[in-house]
Amino acid sequence: GQNIDQPTEMTATEGAIVQINCTYQTSGFNGLFWYQQHAGEAPTFLSYNVLDGLEEKGRFSSFLSRSKGYSYLLLKELQMKDSASYLCAVRDWPNDMRFGAGTRLTVKP
Amino acid sequence: SAVISQKPSRDICQRGTSLTIQCQVDSQVTMMFWYRQQPGQSLTLIATANQGSEATYESGFVIDKFPISRPNLTFSTLTVSNMSPEDSSIYLCSVERQGANEKLFFGSGTQLSVL
Repeated sequence: GQNIDQPTEMTATEGAIVQINCTYQTSGFNGLFWYQQHAGEAPTFLSYNVLDGLEEKGRFSSFLSRSKGYSYLLLKELQMKDSASYLCAVRDWPNDMRFGAGTRLTVKP
Repeated sequence: SAVISQKPSRDICQRGTSLTIQCQVDSQVTMMFWYRQQPGQSLTLIATANQGSEATYESGFVIDKFPISRPNLTFSTLTVSNMSPEDSSIYLCSVERQGANEKLFFGSGTQLSVL
């Protein structure tokens, strides 16, 4: 099975940078995903990592270390609209997706 | 991306009744997934629905409680049967697009409250 751990809550200031960590255990790693979920809405896809390293997409970047079972999501130039829950999800081979409990990020002025 | 229409968007139901949630996708997909998200918690997979075969249920979920239909490659339903207040949750259908990422796309969700 999988254990996916991420902080429950984080707070950051508008314009700042925040890093949300995720550690996981898996029996057959087949990809790591980050999703954003605003209150009352469905999750939306942010990023995908399957190889070690950093994937950058605009203000958001995601990093993966498979040997350490570790990923982080980096949000730069924070905006108020970035206040949301961020879900780390790991896919086990071949197609078994599991989600972490999510990190609720609050961006303050 | 995928366009997924899910309905109803919300409902308030009485204990002991059943509710069927519909999920329509704008293109053919092999697998559709049904998730539950209880208040303040993350997503839990209920079952995977493949067209032409019985759904595969995760540990803790059974067909009698959550029957699923998958009549074609663009549509699925999830029924929450004999509801109790513990079934109050958001129910989400999702599909996977084949490709480099094979990421999940989610419907807008059904907010269910059981009195």
